[in-house]
Amino acid sequence: ETGVTQSPTHLIKTRGQQVTLRCSSQSGHNTVSWYQQALGQGPQFIFQYYREEENGRGNFPPRFSGLQFPNYSSELNVNALELDDSALYLCASSLWGASYEQYFGPGTRLTVT
Amino acid sequence: AQSVSQHNHHVILSEAASLELGCNYSYGGTVNLFWYVQYPGQHLQLLLKYFSGDPLVKGIKGFEAEFIKSKFSFNLRKPSVQWSDTAEYFCAVNAGNNRKLIWGLGTSLAVNP
Repeated sequence: ETGVTQSPTHLIKTRGQQVTLRCSSQSGHNTVSWYQQALGQGPQFIFQYYREEENGRGNFPPRFSGLQFPNYSSELNVNALELDDSALYLCASSLWGASYEQYFGPGTRLTVT
Repeated sequence: AQSVSQHNHHVILSEAASLELGCNYSYGGTVNLFWYVQYPGQHLQLLLKYFSGDPLVKGIKGFEAEFIKSKFSFNLRKPSVQWSDTAEYFCAVNAGNNRKLIWGLGTSLAVNP
């Protein structure tokens, strides 16, 4: 069984730039959720994807967008980066219908300067 | 708004001491409750979960949690901690039909050998 993988591990970007983060879900899982975890905070839900469509969104602006592909992998895109976007971005995969049992990847550490 | 409170931000214990980490949530309806753990350098892992039935839930590594509906609480316990339990512990709640998990700020546990 292959676990959730994310790339890249670390990323440094400049304010105003755009970034794409990638996630491969665990084998057999068809649902992907994205979270932002700022330092010293719990994860904050960004959105969830199922059947290549967004299914639920947290309090994040439209410049946070995503995609899910037929193989269930997913991308998180952030446009017009701001300093406050610096955080650990977590991807979690699950089975639709058991979406609450989520399995997390190691995360991508994004630093915006 | 739904929220999760973890009362202890930093806990330091000696090996063999008993552990109880508090978690309270704000939501009056049906909830699914989780404790996740993040060991140093590793990604988030599910420790235990409550969906329904017996309010005393047993998880991995000797951890258990008790759901007390009248107190909106889901406290995590372990009778005797080990040095290897040093980690960050997060309580998370899924409320109603909302597909997102709402997380507490986390509790950092350090166990001294």
